[in-house]
Amino acid sequence: AQSVTQPDIHITVSEGASLELRCNYSYGATPYLFWYVQSPGQGLQLLLKYFSGDTLVQGIKGFEAEFKRSQSSFNLRKPSVHWSDAAEYFCAVEQSFQKLVFGTGTRLLVSP
Amino acid sequence: NAGVTQTPKFQVLKTGQSMTLQCAQDMNHNSMYWYRQDPGMGLRLIYYSASEGTTDKGEVPNGYNVSRLNKREFSLRLESAAPSQTSVYFCASSEPGLNTEAFFGQGTRLTVV
Repeated sequence: AQSVTQPDIHITVSEGASLELRCNYSYGATPYLFWYVQSPGQGLQLLLKYFSGDTLVQGIKGFEAEFKRSQSSFNLRKPSVHWSDAAEYFCAVEQSFQKLVFGTGTRLLVSP
Repeated sequence: NAGVTQTPKFQVLKTGQSMTLQCAQDMNHNSMYWYRQDPGMGLRLIYYSASEGTTDKGEVPNGYNVSRLNKREFSLRLESAAPSQTSVYFCASSEPGLNTEAFFGQGTRLTVV
């Protein structure tokens, strides 16, 4: 069965510093991978997605992610974090019929 | 363009009460989904509807029923609410095909006391 692991429950980053959130997946075929962000009390917003092709994908709000098949990873990065990036981030892999299997999430805290 | 709309946004139920969570999408998507979100567990799929007239169980269907009323609407019913069903519920929709994504509603926060 497909699974997604986000090993970091919480991460604290200083404003202006770089960010990397880790995501590892378990999937037999070529995965469709997603990163979503959830601000407090809000729904999920898609940051970026990987289906095929270039392994470095660009998303909204200055985020990017790199698909590494050899490591079964799809880590999310941002070169300079802003206070407004504080939120919870979810990595997900798609099953059939666009059903998503989510990781447990990483809560990002941004310190001044 | 409202996207995916869920009602209500908040609800408190007593154990044993029933209620229906409503979801409607205006993107003409064929597929719709219900997820629940619990602390430390991410989102888990309860039920989904690949197309109008079909529904299937997801990972955690026990205690729930669904109805795909038409292409726009997909409701989730709790027949006899239990405290274990305290959660945030998200509805989503998508269009089957390559390079597509799911769109989520704002969620319904349900507390069962």
